[in-house]
Amino acid sequence: QQQVKQSPQSLIVQKGGISIINCAYENTAFDYFPWYQQFPGKGPALLIAIRPDVSEKKEGRFTISFNKSAKQFSLHIMDSQPGDSATYFCAAKGGGSNYKLTFGKGTLLTVNP
Amino acid sequence: DTEVTQTPKHLVMGMTNKKSLKCEQHMGHRAMYWYKQKAKKPPELMFVYSYEKLSINESVPSRFSPECPNSSLLNLHLHALQPEDSALYLCASSFRDTPTNTGELFFGEGSRLTVL
Repeated sequence: QQQVKQSPQSLIVQKGGISIINCAYENTAFDYFPWYQQFPGKGPALLIAIRPDVSEKKEGRFTISFNKSAKQFSLHIMDSQPGDSATYFCAAKGGGSNYKLTFGKGTLLTVNP
Repeated sequence: DTEVTQTPKHLVMGMTNKKSLKCEQHMGHRAMYWYKQKAKKPPELMFVYSYEKLSINESVPSRFSPECPNSSLLNLHLHALQPEDSALYLCASSFRDTPTNTGELFFGEGSRLTVL
């Protein structure tokens, strides 16, 4: 019940295209859903995050769509750029004072020029 | 200052060595974490410190020994490691989760550990 399932495992998109990564969870106690971006040799960096009482959040070219009833959320990267090529992890945090982040397995995004 | 600083960036050690990884943050965060990350895998939680007290140990072998000397510093002492312990060790910090904070994790760049 603690799993976060992420798909696809890898994704190749042309420059200017839309990248879409999906995640699903089971634990309804999760109360915070961040996406992390990780470049090779670097630590993960928070990209965008959402609370379950919001259905969509947009920051620049990055949008999270959240479907609470389906227990799914997704990351959309509009106008994808080669500099977006990285590994993306979705995650979910337990509620209250539970600090633990449960990560998806990651998606390796490659944006071709 | 929104940085979590980790040293060293790279460490090579033998199975009989004793070494330490260090992490520092000056964001006033009171929760600090150690994660382990293998290649092409997500980070795995090892330890959580809250207000300098160990609050979570994810059943980590005793050859890994965490220490939190003060609210800004976090160490991971390594002794008698195995080659399979080779990985990227990530430190992270966060504010306590409150109605106004999300508990966002700030990660350092990691210490790449190789055990020979």
